[in-house]
Amino acid sequence: DGGITQSPKYLFRKEGQNVTLSCEQNLNHDAMYWYRQDPGQGLRLIYYSQIVNDFQKGDIAEGYSVSREKKESFPLTVTSAQKNPTAFYLCASAREDKAYEQYFGPGTRLTVT
Amino acid sequence: QKEVEQNSGPLSVPEGAIASLNCTYSDRGSQSFFWYRQYSGKSPELIMFIYSNGDKEDGRFTAQLNKASQYVSLLIRDSQPSDSATYLCAVTGSARQLTFGSGTQLTVLP
Repeated sequence: DGGITQSPKYLFRKEGQNVTLSCEQNLNHDAMYWYRQDPGQGLRLIYYSQIVNDFQKGDIAEGYSVSREKKESFPLTVTSAQKNPTAFYLCASAREDKAYEQYFGPGTRLTVT
Repeated sequence: QKEVEQNSGPLSVPEGAIASLNCTYSDRGSQSFFWYRQYSGKSPELIMFIYSNGDKEDGRFTAQLNKASQYVSLLIRDSQPSDSATYLCAVTGSARQLTFGSGTQLTVLP
């Protein structure tokens, strides 16, 4: 089955801890994206990557970091510098020639207390 | 001013009726427009995209685009309770980025 997987589905952390969210895809997509969604709000772009070993900041990159060492994987680290990390985190991927037609993984719901 | 605006709803329609969801955008340079459906607690699912002015139909869904008015809509014909979800409008921005609206919550009443 082709698709995008995110793990874990739910994640709980104490304030001050860094946490890494996993995103893997086997769709052979070049582009990958991280969004966060807060209750009653749309998606906001954190980081995106169009090619291995390259990534760009989105609208709300502060307090987050990413890596793209493999085409299939785009992990997101939520650092202790992120002031309001509790949110629903969504990873998406797209073909390079259809970068706007993005397909989403199931998401990770992060709660920091 | 928000870049992509949607009426948050909730919008309620009876089963079998037409649901009309609206979206306006501020960037006149936007070229591509998307509708995502998001069930509660789930991730968004791409259901329609439209690039040219006019209508695009896919089954019970019709997307309508009017670039002059910076307006895109989604019509759902013969609405079913399973259509109850939040519908997100997304438009292209710069550098291959999508900008999302905050979504309209639709409830189809049996």
